[in-house]
Amino acid sequence: NAGVTQTPKFQVLKTGQSMTLQCAQDMNHNSMYWYRQDPGMGLRLIYYSASEGTTDKGEVPNGYNVSRLNKREFSLRLESAAPSQTSVYFCASASFYEQYFGPGTRLTVT
Amino acid sequence: DQQVKQNSPSLSVQEGRISILNCDYTNSMFDYFLWYKKYPAEGPTFLISISSIKDKNEDGRFTVFLNKSAKHLSLHIVPSQPGDSAVYFCAARDDYKLSFGAGTTVTVRA
Repeated sequence: NAGVTQTPKFQVLKTGQSMTLQCAQDMNHNSMYWYRQDPGMGLRLIYYSASEGTTDKGEVPNGYNVSRLNKREFSLRLESAAPSQTSVYFCASASFYEQYFGPGTRLTVT
Repeated sequence: DQQVKQNSPSLSVQEGRISILNCDYTNSMFDYFLWYKKYPAEGPTFLISISSIKDKNEDGRFTVFLNKSAKHLSLHIVPSQPGDSAVYFCAARDDYKLSFGAGTTVTVRA
């Protein structure tokens, strides 16, 4: 089992460019999540999907969109990247209580 | 407003001694609490958890204590080992979502 996988691992964007971060899990979990981690702020929830076919906003959704493509895959899209979106992005999945995290994507917006 | 707070950004402890990490929360709807461990350039990994109906949970060297009246939980690591050097995040669950503290960086000295 690969667990939770994320692509890409690193990305540099110019302001205004768009990109999609991909996430997949092979644990048959119903719920999936996107977080960003910034220094001194812990992990903040961007969007989540409690089950296939549903998505909801988290704490910091502005500037992002998500798609729950199927039970395995949950993507995060930045339509017009801004320097404030420079961060490390983590995807997670959960069957009930514990969430399992991917290795992260380090995104820099210049 | 941050609902989960870890007021100590860092902790240094000698190998073999006890590490005590603290976490406070404000939301009385939290029903489950978790600790995650994170190494640099990796995703957080689940360490130990406790339900709101319990006051203690133990797993090997790790013990989590919950004081609901004080809205406080702590993680004890005994004995501390060099491999325990990492960032530790406290998290609390409400519905499908986790709220995270800012993290405590633990350094275990030889």
